[in-house]
Amino acid sequence: KAGVTQTPRYLIKTRGQQVTLSCSPISGHRSVSWYQQTPGQGLQFLFEYFSETQRNKGNFPGRFSGRQFSNSRSEMNVSTLELGDSALYLCASSLASGTNEKLFFGSGTQLSVL
Amino acid sequence: KQEVTQIPAALSVPEGENLVLNCSFTDSAIYNLQWFRQDPGKGLTSLLLIQSSQREQTSGRLNASLDKSSGRSTLYIAASQPGDSATYLCAVRSGGSYIPTFGRGTSLIVHP
Repeated sequence: KAGVTQTPRYLIKTRGQQVTLSCSPISGHRSVSWYQQTPGQGLQFLFEYFSETQRNKGNFPGRFSGRQFSNSRSEMNVSTLELGDSALYLCASSLASGTNEKLFFGSGTQLSVL
Repeated sequence: KQEVTQIPAALSVPEGENLVLNCSFTDSAIYNLQWFRQDPGKGLTSLLLIQSSQREQTSGRLNASLDKSSGRSTLYIAASQPGDSATYLCAVRSGGSYIPTFGRGTSLIVHP
């Protein structure tokens, strides 16, 4: 069974640009969540989607948005990039959205903003 | 607000040693706790998931315990190997939205 797939693996952008990251969950998984990882803040929750609906949202500005498609694939968009957005962006999938779900992570997208 | 602390931040041990990694959380009303390992620049690999009703979980050389009343979990690694070198993170699900809160991790180096 294929794992969680994130594309692209690396991205270099300049300030002010926007970026879209993609995440394909494990087959059969319907929940996708996104996280930002930086040396300064550690791993922080961005948002979670289940059945094309946003279920939870972390404490990030509105420049960070996401969506989920009917096949459970998810995209995350960051508009008007800032230097501080440089980070490893991780997505995780789980069978469903709930308290007891096990998270499976992808390899991440390393975003550098210049 | 849930806070998760992992001590020590870094650990260096010789191969073959048994070791314990710690994870502490402030709100004991958790749903579950999950241990991960992360290799440099990579994603997280799930190691063990302990539900709130469980006391421990085992997988191979790994054993994770959970004591909700004291707000602690430990990850025991037996007979450590150089391939165990990685950062180990714990994540706790709690609160009405069950959003996971992660610790900052323990960076482990096992030298031959």
